[in-house]
Amino acid sequence: ETGVTQSPTHLIKTRGQQVTLRCSSQSGHNTVSWYQQALGQGPQFIFQYYREEENGRGNFPPRFSGLQFPNYSSELNVNALELDDSALYLCASSFGSETQYFGPGTRLLVL
Amino acid sequence: QKEVEQNSGPLSVPEGAIASLNCTYSDRVSQSFFWYRQYSGKSPELIMSIYSNGDKEDGRFTAQLNKASQYVSLLIRDSQPSDSATYLCAVYPNDYKLSFGAGTTVTVRA
Repeated sequence: ETGVTQSPTHLIKTRGQQVTLRCSSQSGHNTVSWYQQALGQGPQFIFQYYREEENGRGNFPPRFSGLQFPNYSSELNVNALELDDSALYLCASSFGSETQYFGPGTRLLVL
Repeated sequence: QKEVEQNSGPLSVPEGAIASLNCTYSDRVSQSFFWYRQYSGKSPELIMSIYSNGDKEDGRFTAQLNKASQYVSLLIRDSQPSDSATYLCAVYPNDYKLSFGAGTTVTVRA
């Protein structure tokens, strides 16, 4: 157990809808990174939040957005869902750029 | 060229044997290297980190790093059925983004 929690564990949405995923970081960590993992592939970096600001972004469109709160928890929002957004969404917490520890993930299915 | 490449697998080894996993990376300035284990349907779990050239041992796991060759490997000694999982190589090419390989699936035959 890493101490990183995510909610919900599973989610089913339809194309065009919006979704919000949540992550609580491990105690003592101040940085949250989000990854998308499609079936059979490695996780792909979406973005990272440090001190409530976006600290870096991967190759994802603007309809993927996020927030970090003063308690270092974070949200990932995805607008206008597409079928290809179906994946396991992983949150990882760290202290700055140190080792990242993953939460259990949220499995999103878009129909 | 992909940032991180792993041998494609799947890799099947008998119980008690050594499983050898390989990973190459493209960004020469990378300084931190990790191996994560991912069981089917679960999230990645950190098993090893390595930062300096050479070997690092932790129980039955040994990570090897060669920065000149841009190569990282993981050896699993005395493989057990519980080691059956996908192993992900990850590299920090900069201060914030972890780049992952596609993973190598290992099956340990009892």
